[in-house]
Amino acid sequence: GAVVSQHPSRVICKSGTSVKIECRSLDFQATTMFWYRQFPKQSLMLMATSNEGSKATYEQGVEKDKFLINHASLTLSTLTVTSAHPEDSSFYICSALKSLGGNTIYFGEGSWLTVV
Amino acid sequence: QQQVKQSPQSLIVQKGGIPIINCAYENTAFDYFPWYQQFPGKGPALLIAIRPDVSEKKEGRFTISFNKSAKQFSLHIMDSQPGDSATYFCAASMAGGYQKVTFGTGTKLQVIP
Repeated sequence: GAVVSQHPSRVICKSGTSVKIECRSLDFQATTMFWYRQFPKQSLMLMATSNEGSKATYEQGVEKDKFLINHASLTLSTLTVTSAHPEDSSFYICSALKSLGGNTIYFGEGSWLTVV
Repeated sequence: QQQVKQSPQSLIVQKGGIPIINCAYENTAFDYFPWYQQFPGKGPALLIAIRPDVSEKKEGRFTISFNKSAKQFSLHIMDSQPGDSATYFCAASMAGGYQKVTFGTGTKLQVIP
């Protein structure tokens, strides 16, 4: 089946530094990927829609300059949290849209970010 | 504004029971309704999905019931097992699932032996 891989699965960074999270579709091409954020015991909140070869579309209230998204290829989207602060600590989850064979969205395993 | 409302927030059933999770939506443009299962520390996994042209869909022990006029849908888990203990999210999207998925608030299910 389709697999979406995220890396790293866990990362700890110091406050003020930047950290990059990768999202890869392993066996299909994804022109559209999505980035979510999930706080403990809460639902997934969409941050942005990542489109291959174009700028990401951010949800209201999400800072574009803080959460940089790059979708440079049909199998890779990256989320960079810039100048991270402890309040950015969260579970970040990506998903990728597989259009071939019917539109199905597959989720990655998520990346835990802890900012200390 | 919560576009997809989900209840209950938590649910405890005994093994073999049939937990039912309910969701309601407002936006009639939604045309794809997936359910996801999430274990702690893991990403959500697609369980089953339905489109509004059918009223029921079964896959294994999971059944979705869909009421288009009421804008409600529900998940039934037949013969529930302790391994089904997880958080379940209903969701909705437009354009046949092509667009972003809007999640419900989640239901934490515990199946006790």
